[in-house]
Amino acid sequence: KNQVEQSPQSLIILEGKNCTLQCNYTVSPFSNLRWYKQDTGRGPVSLTIMTFSENTKSNGRYTATLDADTKQSSLHITASQLSDSASYICVVSSNDYKLSFGAGTTVTVRA
Amino acid sequence: AAGVIQSPRHLIKEKRETATLKCYPISRHDTVYWYQQGPGQDPQFLISFYEKMQSDKGSIPDRFSAQQFSDYHSELNMSSLELGDSALYFCASSPTGGRVGELFFGEGSRLTVL
Repeated sequence: KNQVEQSPQSLIILEGKNCTLQCNYTVSPFSNLRWYKQDTGRGPVSLTIMTFSENTKSNGRYTATLDADTKQSSLHITASQLSDSASYICVVSSNDYKLSFGAGTTVTVRA
Repeated sequence: AAGVIQSPRHLIKEKRETATLKCYPISRHDTVYWYQQGPGQDPQFLISFYEKMQSDKGSIPDRFSAQQFSDYHSELNMSSLELGDSALYFCASSPTGGRVGELFFGEGSRLTVL
């Protein structure tokens, strides 16, 4: 069973709207959690990285939250743009070499 | 600043051939990771190097080998290629032995085995 579960699997939103992606994990011990944006066939691009003590972190229109007690994270996209269309991958690290990847949420932004 | 550079970006080989993928990390990054992402699958960790020594090994087949050179670039060598080796191979680099966890990924090398 995958140790990182993301939801929804995909979503479609209108340009300018907000959306929230979810990530639940069972990876233990926990080191850090990252959100990546990945365009099809391209390398993942880091959006945020959070350690155990961090609850929220922003990167432009992207805001990630982390609840280490419930082992949940969310990624909020504000005022979506067409360029936000991509897969968003939640990655949890139990140490600095092995990462557990979620299956990703595919976001499609329509004009 | 230049990111992680991978070459070639695309590679087509036939079964039983060999292939070599190269990864050039960001300047002053001493740790390199290799991942394999099959079609529709999550990236799988293959192997990592810190200061030119193998630091961890994941699901890398015995037919594959890798090394990190004195200039910190890394090469992934794949022999006796199989159809199932067709995948996107990502390299990532990290500074200071992978601590403080930020990974910077390359664009990937797409290997197609016919």
